[in-house]
Amino acid sequence: GAGVSQSPRYKVAKRGQDVALRCDPISGHVSLFWYQQALGQGPEFLTYFQNEAQLDKSGLPSDRFFAERPEGSVSTLKIQRTQQEDSAVYLCASGTRGLGTEAFFGQGTRLTVV
Amino acid sequence: GESVGLHLPTLSVQEGDNSIINCAYSNSASDYFIWYKQESGKGPQFIIDIRSNMDKRQGQRVTVLLNKTVKHLSLQIAATQPGDSAVYFCAENPDNYGQNFVFGPGTRLSVLP
Repeated sequence: GAGVSQSPRYKVAKRGQDVALRCDPISGHVSLFWYQQALGQGPEFLTYFQNEAQLDKSGLPSDRFFAERPEGSVSTLKIQRTQQEDSAVYLCASGTRGLGTEAFFGQGTRLTVV
Repeated sequence: GESVGLHLPTLSVQEGDNSIINCAYSNSASDYFIWYKQESGKGPQFIIDIRSNMDKRQGQRVTVLLNKTVKHLSLQIAATQPGDSAVYFCAENPDNYGQNFVFGPGTRLSVLP
């Protein structure tokens, strides 16, 4: 389909391991968002890109979290030295403008740190 | 009726009845609000939005009401169907120039046959 694609769908990491989560946005979408969703809670903002520019990274919880979108399309969220509290679903959304009618979320990557 | 579950408030309604899901938001400066539906194993799906210069907006079977005085949003679903069973989130944009939306804790809607 032509929706937002995230991979892997599930990831199990040992504590201390580095992980990379990929988001393929809808073609032509300039805006890209990453959210973190803990079990039983609402999504929490991590970061926002407009094309390749990271305009807001205020939600990244620590310097272990890093996101990039070097060519303004595919984005990668990297987590270094994973900890158990990083276990969550990581959601990516893309849109023509901001979050709203023209933005769509992917299915997310469920990260479990053991 | 409503009950507080382990993680989420739950609203149980009979199929065909109307549902009302409530949300209290935190920032009086928020100017844009969105309701999302999230089914198990899926990402949030846009339902309807409203700007702060409106107090009501209608879509197909859904209506959003905004009360800025008490910082309250509600989502009304008419003639609730089994396919409406999901977790519903409200989201506010507390920064007019940013995109760091704040999501509420969510309400689980359960439609009874």
